[in-house]
Amino acid sequence: EAGVTQFPSHSVIEKGQTVTLRCDPISGHDNLYWYRRVMGKEIKFLLHFVKESKQDESGMPNNRFLAERTGGTYSTLKVQPAELEDSGVYFCASSRLGGTQVGNEQFFGPGTRLTVL
Amino acid sequence: RKEVEQDPGPFNVPEGATVAFNCTYSNSASQSFFWYRQDCRKEPKLLMSVYSSGNEDGRFTAQLNRASQYISLLIRDSKLSDSATYLCVVNHPGGFKTIFGAGTRLFVKA
Repeated sequence: EAGVTQFPSHSVIEKGQTVTLRCDPISGHDNLYWYRRVMGKEIKFLLHFVKESKQDESGMPNNRFLAERTGGTYSTLKVQPAELEDSGVYFCASSRLGGTQVGNEQFFGPGTRLTVL
Repeated sequence: RKEVEQDPGPFNVPEGATVAFNCTYSNSASQSFFWYRQDCRKEPKLLMSVYSSGNEDGRFTAQLNRASQYISLLIRDSKLSDSATYLCVVNHPGGFKTIFGAGTRLFVKA
């Protein structure tokens, strides 16, 4: 079974540019999560999809960040325009079930390392 | 106060040692708990879920104390390959938002 994949693995952009990150969850996993880790800090939740619906986007930093999951399969996270403080590692995770159900364990992708210059 | 707090570490132990990590969470309504390990510059990997009755997987034992809002992870007979950062993870009540602790770094020495 293929794991969670993310693209690109690295991205270096200049302040003010736009970047789009992609996540492909494990096949059959309806729940998809985005996280971010900035240097020296803990991993922070950004948002959670169930299929194509956003269940919780309380962790999104501001309106420069837009996440989509059209069709309920892969997801994209767009940052526009990027700022210096957006640099970090963006992880995606998926789970078969969500909430507090058994089977809600999340499996992480390798992350996208974003550097904004 | 952070929602999930862990021992700051690092822990430096010899091979074969037993080591215990602690984690506390602030929201008493939290219901799902996990331990993940993360190797340097890699993604977090699920180590084990933590159940109310406690659970064991080989050399690893996890326990949950709801009254004290406390989770622990015990590693017996430490191996060099156990060197990693151990992350305590708690699902927010309702289950849709996940909170990570800052992690505890473990170094196992030969």
